Amino acid sequence: AQKVTQAQTEISVVEKEDVTLDCVYETRDTTYYLFWYKQPPSGELVFLIRRNSFDEQNEISGRYSWNFQKSTSSFNFTITASQVVDSAVYFCALSEGPGRRALTFGSGTRLQVQP
Amino acid sequence: DAGVTQSPTHLIKTRGQQVTLRCSPKSGHDTVSWYQQALGQGPQFIFQYYEEEERQRGNFPDRFSGHQFPNYSSELNVNALLLGDSALYLCASSLGHLDTQYFGPGTRLTVL
Repeated sequence: AQKVTQAQTEISVVEKEDVTLDCVYETRDTTYYLFWYKQPPSGELVFLIRRNSFDEQNEISGRYSWNFQKSTSSFNFTITASQVVDSAVYFCALSEGPGRRALTFGSGTRLQVQP
Repeated sequence: DAGVTQSPTHLIKTRGQQVTLRCSPKSGHDTVSWYQQALGQGPQFIFQYYEEEERQRGNFPDRFSGHQFPNYSSELNVNALLLGDSALYLCASSLGHLDTQYFGPGTRLTVL
């Protein structure tokens, strides 16, 4: 069965620090998708990135970067020069196979960025 | 371009009652998925609708049922409410095989 583990329950940093959120996944499928979502206090899940199992290339988008390593079943998320607006709960998620599939979420990491 | 919308925003019910939550998908999307998020936890998949039929279902009892309409909007119904049904209910929409699910703001259900 598929599983996503986010071992860090809560992280607190000071503004401008870099922070990495860890995500470890388990799946028996060779085709799968990994996601990161951000959930601010308002509650709505905001899509950040999708990566498929055949694309291990790391990605950078502004201050955000993602490191996908199949060898360790990890899909980590780094925020560079964190800002107060980055404070939120971040979820890593997995869907097995192509097409319309359910998402399995981790338990989330609450990030607090102090000014 | 309107995103996923859900109604109502908040709802308070008592044990044993029934509730209906509504979701309108993002423009152009044909698939709707429902998730339950208990406080402090990650969302849990309830079920998914496509072409007006339930296609996948998570580990939820039959008290949870749904419907998808020809315009792709969807309803989630919960019967015989329990205190444990108190949660944020999230609707997500997606387009076919592209698979990225976009979420609405959720409905906060409180069962007293």
